[in-house]
Amino acid sequence: GAVVSQHPSWVICKSGTSVKIECRSLDFQATTMFWYRQFPKQSLMLMATSNEGSKATYEQGVEKDKFLINHASLTLSTLTVTSAHPEDSSFYICSARTSGGVEQYFGPGTRLTVT
Amino acid sequence: GENVEQHPSTLSVQEGDSAVIKCTYSDSASNYFPWYKQELGKRPQLIIDIRSNVGEKKDQRIAVTLNKTAKHFSLHITETQPEDSAVYFCAASLNYGGATNKLIFGTGTLLAVQP
Repeated sequence: GAVVSQHPSWVICKSGTSVKIECRSLDFQATTMFWYRQFPKQSLMLMATSNEGSKATYEQGVEKDKFLINHASLTLSTLTVTSAHPEDSSFYICSARTSGGVEQYFGPGTRLTVT
Repeated sequence: GENVEQHPSTLSVQEGDSAVIKCTYSDSASNYFPWYKQELGKRPQLIIDIRSNVGEKKDQRIAVTLNKTAKHFSLHITETQPEDSAVYFCAASLNYGGATNKLIFGTGTLLAVQP
């Protein structure tokens, strides 16, 4: 149980275009989902926390107009990278947690390359 | 906010030896401390966690100790095997069952187990 999927697993896009990444909890309801970014040989950096039905809370330094997060249902959250640039190339990982739960269940990650 | 420091950044041990990774946290209110193993290009996998009402937890070859007074916690791996080679991350979270229990990750330790 507690499986989280992400789609796509990798994507290449051109500079200036937008990319949407989906995060799904397959066998549980995720009231809270988290989005992380991980650059090569670095740690996971929390970008934002999203709660179902409400606006996401962004970490300091993360542009909310650039990284659009939608958590429209208890099983789906999306991250849209708008007007992507090469410096946005990274490994994006989501995680999900149940209401009142402690453990976060991580998705497999999405490798984004912006050319 | 919470800040987590992790040492060492790299650790090389001989197969069969023990490995110890240490983390310190800044927010005394943090009360949940998970450890993750991440292989290259993969999602973080929870290997063990500990809550602040416990001083030590063990699961086969893996153990975690927590010193709340000193605000540090450690991962101990005994009888290391080559398949233990990976990047290990500690994390700290303030968990009160509320809407945001975000994890703050340490900087990671690259463990190499030499056969």
